[in-house]
Amino acid sequence: RKEVEQDPGPFNVPEGATVAFNCTYSNSASQSFFWYRQDCRKEPKLLMSVYSSGNEDGRFTAQLNRASQYISLLIRDSKLSDSATYLCVVTIRFSSNTGKLIFGQGTTLQVKP
Amino acid sequence: DTEVTQTPKHLVMGMTNKKSLKCEQHMGHRAMYWYKQKAKKPPELMFVYSYEKLSINESVPSRFSPECPNSSLLNLHLHALQPEDSALYLCASSQEGDRGTEAFFGQGTRLTVV
Repeated sequence: RKEVEQDPGPFNVPEGATVAFNCTYSNSASQSFFWYRQDCRKEPKLLMSVYSSGNEDGRFTAQLNRASQYISLLIRDSKLSDSATYLCVVTIRFSSNTGKLIFGQGTTLQVKP
Repeated sequence: DTEVTQTPKHLVMGMTNKKSLKCEQHMGHRAMYWYKQKAKKPPELMFVYSYEKLSINESVPSRFSPECPNSSLLNLHLHALQPEDSALYLCASSQEGDRGTEAFFGQGTRLTVV
């Protein structure tokens, strides 16, 4: 079983649509949770951190459910520029000073005019 | 703009060559990472340095040799690579501490082994 699992999609949606991505993680010791965005042939860029209390940034809302080991990302009023791959990322800590980021396989979003 | 700088952006090397990838950050981050990314796949962790010491080696072949000369620099020395090593190599850094924090990535080095 993969440590971080996402539906790879692709999700093809019209402009203005609301789209939701889900992610599950297997390691209950996971400490931090993020959504990254990656455009074609570019580096991953941090979109937002994810907290149990929820996190909203404009049209983007992220939520963490630790009991279910489940992370979500909601995008409202989709724009053409939202087309990208969205990576669910979990941090697993090995010691007080060392951790590593584990990536899900990514979910591809294509927003159509 | 990314605050993690990688050079070169592109590299073509033969299987007998020796080359190095370089990464630099000036955010005061104490953890630095090397990731490898193949097309249409997520980044895969290779190495983690914490406070300039190698903390994690994800069973990477010895033809990849990391080096951390100081807290701002991270190198990846390449020797006798194979064509299947062609990929995007990403460097990242993060602040270390009791809680995990987000990592920032460089633009990557696109490596082609011929």
